[in-house]
Amino acid sequence: SAVISQKPSRDICQRGTSLTIQCQVDSQVTMMFWYRQQPGQSLTLIATANQGSEATYESGFVIDKFPISRPNLTFSTLTVSNMSPEDSSIYLCSVGLGTAKNIQYFGAGTRLSVL
Amino acid sequence: GQQVMQIPQYQHVQEGEDFTTYCNSSTTLSNIQWYKQRPGGHPVFLIQLVKSGEVKKQKRLTFQFGEAKKNSSLHITATQTTDVGTYFCAGLGGGFKTIFGAGTRLFVKA
Repeated sequence: SAVISQKPSRDICQRGTSLTIQCQVDSQVTMMFWYRQQPGQSLTLIATANQGSEATYESGFVIDKFPISRPNLTFSTLTVSNMSPEDSSIYLCSVGLGTAKNIQYFGAGTRLSVL
Repeated sequence: GQQVMQIPQYQHVQEGEDFTTYCNSSTTLSNIQWYKQRPGGHPVFLIQLVKSGEVKKQKRLTFQFGEAKKNSSLHITATQTTDVGTYFCAGLGGGFKTIFGAGTRLFVKA
């Protein structure tokens, strides 16, 4: 397993501003991911954070809106840019472990409200 | 693309009753995982099944992987209030991506 520290845990932001979420892992990991979870819904993968290269985004998510950094094997950031109320959600980072690198260990999440 | 379907969406049980959630995939899965998310918390990994027909137990929880590796179930015997939460199944997609089911939200009445 891994210990994942995510911050901030929650924030209330104004429309049009940006928020950067940080994710720190206690060990070096190859696979890091960012998810979004609307209240009462399942988890939707935003992107795979690749170390030393551009993130791989899922359909419906673009780099201009959700820029991601992955400077090393223990750290990643997700920025939610030019926020609107529709961006209000829980954002979770995770690491993929196990033989297939797909057992997900999650950070505690960032609860974002956009006014 | 690959889809993982999960039913039921909600389940209300009386404490002591059993509970089962079912997961079906549109394609054969190399493995399947189950996660639990407590209210206000984040998903926590419970178990991974890899082999066709595999059955694993964790105390009152029994996990099964179908023979065709396209379906799975989680059964909880004699539910307790501590079992409250949402249970997600998840399968491996392409490029190490994990595809989550919609989840089953369990309510337990004491």
